[in-house]
Amino acid sequence: AQSVTQLDSQVPVFEEAPVELRCNYSSSVSVYLFWYVQYPNQGLQLLLKYLSGSTLVKGINGFEAEFNKSQTSFHLRKPSVHISDTAEYFCAVSEGYSTLTFGKGTMLLVSP
Amino acid sequence: KAGVTQTPRYLIKTRGQQVTLSCSPISGHRSVSWYQQTPGQGLQFLFEYFSETQRNKGNFPGRFSGRQFSNSRSEMNVSTLELGDSALYLCASRDGFRELFFGEGSRLTVL
Repeated sequence: AQSVTQLDSQVPVFEEAPVELRCNYSSSVSVYLFWYVQYPNQGLQLLLKYLSGSTLVKGINGFEAEFNKSQTSFHLRKPSVHISDTAEYFCAVSEGYSTLTFGKGTMLLVSP
Repeated sequence: KAGVTQTPRYLIKTRGQQVTLSCSPISGHRSVSWYQQTPGQGLQFLFEYFSETQRNKGNFPGRFSGRQFSNSRSEMNVSTLELGDSALYLCASRDGFRELFFGEGSRLTVL
């Protein structure tokens, strides 16, 4: 069965600093991987996705993620964060026709 | 295209009552999924419907049920509400087997 582990529940960072949010998954087959962002009192918005091809995936708002099959990881990065990036970030995995399984989320707290 | 629309956005119920939540997917999307989000458990999958048939089901008691209509709109129902059912209920639609597009959720408070 597929599962996702987000290693950090909270990541505090100063504005304009780089950030990495970690995600590891468990699956026995080929997977699709996703990162979503959730702002307060809103639904989830897709940041980026890995379906196949290049392991470096670029998304919206300057975020990117790298798929590492040997380490079963899909870490999210941004070289310089803004106050407006403060939100909760969810990593998700799906196998073939299955639905998405989400991690518990990482709260990114950006301070001035 | 209009996004996923969920109604109502907020509702308050008392223990023992039942509730029905509605979801209209993105036009052309035939798959609708429901998730429960709570601070302690995160996002938990309830069920997925495709062309009016339940395709996948999560690990929730039978008090949680859903259905999908021929126009792809979906409803979920929770009967005999418990305090622990207080949560944000998220609906999402997709085209095929890839990413989900989420609505803004229905926040249920059970008193």
